[in-house]
Amino acid sequence: AQKVTQAQTEISVVEKEDVTLDCVYETRDTTYYLFWYKQPPSGELVFLIRRNSFDEQNEISGRYSWNFQKSTSSFNFTITASQVVDSAVYFCALSEQNTGNQFYFGTGTSLTVIP
Amino acid sequence: EAGVAQSPRYKIIEKRQSVAFWCNPISGHATLYWYQQILGQGPKLLIQFQNNGVVDDSQLPKDRFSAERLKGVDSTLKIQPAKLEDSAVYLCASSLGLGGEAFFGQGTRLTVV
Repeated sequence: AQKVTQAQTEISVVEKEDVTLDCVYETRDTTYYLFWYKQPPSGELVFLIRRNSFDEQNEISGRYSWNFQKSTSSFNFTITASQVVDSAVYFCALSEQNTGNQFYFGTGTSLTVIP
Repeated sequence: EAGVAQSPRYKIIEKRQSVAFWCNPISGHATLYWYQQILGQGPKLLIQFQNNGVVDDSQLPKDRFSAERLKGVDSTLKIQPAKLEDSAVYLCASSLGLGGEAFFGQGTRLTVV
């Protein structure tokens, strides 16, 4: 079973629009961690944010914000006022305490910001 | 702080040949991962080390893939013999441990022809 689902395969937005990337996860562990990574065309996976299962506070970092809702097993990522440099593939990932901190990745959402 | 180093960046080999990839994790990171990323897909774990011991290698095709992490630092991943379907980017990552974020290297893009 897929532990992390990113239903949006590709999204295109016009520059300065807001965009939300969806992530739904599945776990039976009570202690787990959620992550978002960005993969620009250069290929390197860049860490963006980490959340643990006991911290449901939303977080804002500049134009980025994250909405963690345990009730719906979702960890969505919003980019406000998108820029061309935001064009990349974004991956949501899950690690669980009981499976040795292995990272389970979703299939990614390819975001294209059109100037 | 230096990041995760991988080499080579690119490799083209013929099927049935062998190839090896090298990874140097961030200093002090006990956990090291090798992931395979096929074009258009998310990374898939091949093997996870904790220091120099294997935590998980359940998805490593052991008939052709092998990995080691001597002295709990550097790691090598080998494929012998390579198949066409092994064409992918091989990513190495490291983390401090449970719950910590993983930091990734730039990857090795392997093309098997």
